[in-house]
Amino acid sequence: QSVLTQPPSVSGAPGLRVTISCTGSSSNIGAGYDVHWYQHLPGAAPKLLIYRNNNRPSGVPDRFSGSKSGTSASLAITGLRAEDEADYYCQSYDRRLSGSIFGGGTKLTVL
Amino acid sequence: EVQLVESGGGLVKPGGSLRLSCEASEFSFSSYGMDWVRQAPGKGLEWVSGISASSSFINYADSVKGRFTISRDNAKLYLQMTSLRAEDTAEYYCARVVLLTVGGYYMDVWGKGTTVTVSS
Repeated sequence: QSVLTQPPSVSGAPGLRVTISCTGSSSNIGAGYDVHWYQHLPGAAPKLLIYRNNNRPSGVPDRFSGSKSGTSASLAITGLRAEDEADYYCQSYDRRLSGSIFGGGTKLTVL
Repeated sequence: EVQLVESGGGLVKPGGSLRLSCEASEFSFSSYGMDWVRQAPGKGLEWVSGISASSSFINYADSVKGRFTISRDNAKLYLQMTSLRAEDTAEYYCARVVLLTVGGYYMDVWGKGTTVTVSS
């Protein structure tokens, strides 16, 4: 069981918007640690999608956005495209574990 | 191109050992902390171990503590794995760490992974 909780799956039609939640606790997100998001396609290296809650690395489309509030964070994807179909993971730091933590991952299906 | 390439994976019997390597290119490897992250079949990403740029700070997930050892030299990152178990079967990724002054960090460059299978 992951320290950060994500829904196992989300889906949406092309062009629409989906959000993926990431819920933590007072020892990680609630303690003020930033949340980061990764996109993982089968057989590929995980890719940094959002860092420090709401920042996009160069090359990541502005269709992807992140937010954080309290002990939770969320990733929003607008204008869904077929190539967005992937697994998405949130990541933060836990001061009790003194290490990095991941959410369980969310599989996005573009209908 | 900034790149990380893992190697050393393979099939090993329970109780056996394996040493993974991760070679960096096109960036100042000695300036960055590095992590190992794994993904078991059908499961999500799991942080395994991390090492600071100077090797002065090292930590491990409870699931591997006492069995795995992370290390680095000027050009490569390593993960020495001993007393391997079936549950260590996974794709192992190395990742470059970007430290945050406010605490915590993220991983901005990842390798494509190397496969470790523990089975008799």
